[in-house]
Amino acid sequence: GAVVSQHPSRVICKSGTSVKIECRSLDFQATTMFWYRQFPKQSLMLMATSNEGSKATYEQGVEKDKFLINHASLTLSTLTVTSAHPEDSSFYICSAPGLAGALGGEQYFGPGTRLTVT
Amino acid sequence: AQSVSQHNHHVILSEAASLELGCNYSYGGTVNLFWYVQYPGQHLQLLLKYFSGDPLVKGIKGFEAEFIKSKFSFNLRKPSVQWSDTAEYFCAVANTGNQFYFGTGTSLTVIP
Repeated sequence: GAVVSQHPSRVICKSGTSVKIECRSLDFQATTMFWYRQFPKQSLMLMATSNEGSKATYEQGVEKDKFLINHASLTLSTLTVTSAHPEDSSFYICSAPGLAGALGGEQYFGPGTRLTVT
Repeated sequence: AQSVSQHNHHVILSEAASLELGCNYSYGGTVNLFWYVQYPGQHLQLLLKYFSGDPLVKGIKGFEAEFIKSKFSFNLRKPSVQWSDTAEYFCAVANTGNQFYFGTGTSLTVIP
């Protein structure tokens, strides 16, 4: 089946620095990808929709200047957490639709990136 | 806005017991419904999905779910659980924009 990868799997950074997380669709193209964060023992919260060739759209309450999203190609989306603070520590997960053009269809999820801000 | 609620936060069962996890959603438009499972230390995996047609859908590993439109529900069931079913289970709703909204999750512990 379709595979989505994320890099890095774990990252520890100091408060005030920026961290970039990559999400790649390995064997298919994705014009749209999605970014989620998951707090311990909680569900995934949709943060934003990453669109290839255009600006990302953010869910209500998500700071677009803090969580910069760039969909550089049909197989790569990046999430940059700028000026990270301890409260940004979380598990960040990306996903991509499995079928090109299939609306509301299955998503393939990456393995997630554990961000710890000290 | 869409919302998804899962009634059971933590369920503990003995092996061979039957399982039913509740899921209700609120959304006025067309949605597709999913159940995902997250085993410890692993990423989300699709258990089953409902797009249209027969409201009783069968998924992997013996799981099934029933879509009841009048109740806005999509409950997950398994007749006989195994120890290996210990995991976190998430109900999700997808709108036509491919945006997924997840429930809060249910942690299932199966005791051998």
